[in-house]
Amino acid sequence: GAVVSQHPSRVICKSGTSVKIECRSLDFQATTMFWYRQFPKQSLMLMATSNEGSKATYEQGVEKDKFLINHASLTLSTLTVTSAHPEDSSFYICSGRVEDTQYFGPGTRLTVL
Amino acid sequence: DQQVKQNSPSLSVQEGRISILNCDYTNSMFDYFLWYKKYPAEGPTFLISISSIKDKNEDGRFTVFLNKSAKHLSLHIVPSQPGDSAVYFCAASGSSGDKLTFGTGTRLAVRP
Repeated sequence: GAVVSQHPSRVICKSGTSVKIECRSLDFQATTMFWYRQFPKQSLMLMATSNEGSKATYEQGVEKDKFLINHASLTLSTLTVTSAHPEDSSFYICSGRVEDTQYFGPGTRLTVL
Repeated sequence: DQQVKQNSPSLSVQEGRISILNCDYTNSMFDYFLWYKKYPAEGPTFLISISSIKDKNEDGRFTVFLNKSAKHLSLHIVPSQPGDSAVYFCAASGSSGDKLTFGTGTRLAVRP
C-alpha cells in the first residue's frame, strides 16, 4: 500500500498557541488529502478535504478559521490548529488517496494544556 | 446521526477460529466500503474493500461480504491469529475515493 507520514507524532502545547501538523505522501502524489480527528473511544470523524492548489472543504461544524489547511504541493498538506484550547486535544490523522483507497498516516496526538 | 454502525463494540475469538465482524449502514448512496485495522495511537491500516456491484471480495485470510438489500457488510477473518487483535473499523463512501464515513469500531481479541 501507499505510505503516508505525519509530523510530529506527538505535541503538547499551551492554551492559546498554534500548532502545525504536516502530512506527507511518501511514494505517491496526492491531489486530495483528508484530515480526520478521533476522540478517545470514538470513531474517526472527517474534518476537511484538502485539495492541492485550492481551498479545503470543511465538514459541517468544523471551524475553517481555527483549523487552517494548506495543500501547497502534491505530497504535502498541513493542518494548523490556531489558538488551541484544551478541547482541541485529540488524535489527528490524515490520509491520501490512491485510486479507490485512502491510506492513512500514523496520526498526531495533540495535547493542549 | 450515525450512518455507519458497528453494533458489537468487542469480540473475542479463539486462535484458529473464524472472526466475523459486522457493519450496518443507513445511507443508500454509499456504494464503496472498506475495512481498516487500527492499533492505539496509530493510523488505520487498510485491509480490504468492496464495491457495491459485488457481494464478495477475498484477499488471503480476509473476506468481505456485502448485502446491499440489507445494507449490511461483514468481514471474515479465518483463521484468526493473535496478531489480528486490534480495533476494526468499517467505512463507507458515496463513490470510490470519496470522503469516508467510519463506523464506531469493534475491538477484536484473539485468544492464543
